[in-house]
Amino acid sequence: QKEVEQDPGPLSVPEGAIVSLNCTYSNSAFQYFMWYRQYSRKGPELLMYTYSSGNKEDGRFTAQVDKSSKYISLFIRDSQPSDSATYLCAMGAGNMLTFGGGTRLMVKP
Amino acid sequence: DSGVTQTPKHLITATGQRVTLRCSPRSGDLSVYWYQQSLDQGLQFLIQYYNGEERAKGNILERFSAQQFPDLHSELNLSSLELGDSALYFCASSAVLAGSNNEQFFGPGTRLTVL
Repeated sequence: QKEVEQDPGPLSVPEGAIVSLNCTYSNSAFQYFMWYRQYSRKGPELLMYTYSSGNKEDGRFTAQVDKSSKYISLFIRDSQPSDSATYLCAMGAGNMLTFGGGTRLMVKP
Repeated sequence: DSGVTQTPKHLITATGQRVTLRCSPRSGDLSVYWYQQSLDQGLQFLIQYYNGEERAKGNILERFSAQQFPDLHSELNLSSLELGDSALYFCASSAVLAGSNNEQFFGPGTRLTVL
């Protein structure tokens, strides 16, 4: 079993929909959590970073962490075609990051 | 633009050869990380340097090595290349060694093709 599990998708939604992306993890040592967006053949771009349970909001993006359930989510409101990309969750303990395999999102106009 | 630069963007070479990938971190960042991304393996951590010293190793092959120079740029050396080494190689940088402020910013990557 992988330390971080993420549904690879693809997830296809209409423009304007609310998108929910999720990761589960098994290592309780993870202390901080990130979401990255990666367009095809580009470098991952840091979207959200949090190190506590609860919600963190930034524009159309909300990151949610539930350490007791070992579950993190990224919500995208009013999704746009430009949000079409692969979304990677990442979790850290100390100086190491462990990445999920990524979920491919397609937002259709 | 993350502020992390990588060269070259693309590299095509033959099996058995040796290549060097270069990374310049964001201004002020002391940590440099190298990752390999292939279709079947996802994003895999290779190695971390902090202020010139190796600080963590992941799934890095013995044929691969890295270093960080006094100006903080880093190089990843890949030798005796095999077809399976074809992948995207990313460099990331962060301001700290570890802990709760360890946000990592990725460069655009080097696409390596081994023929």
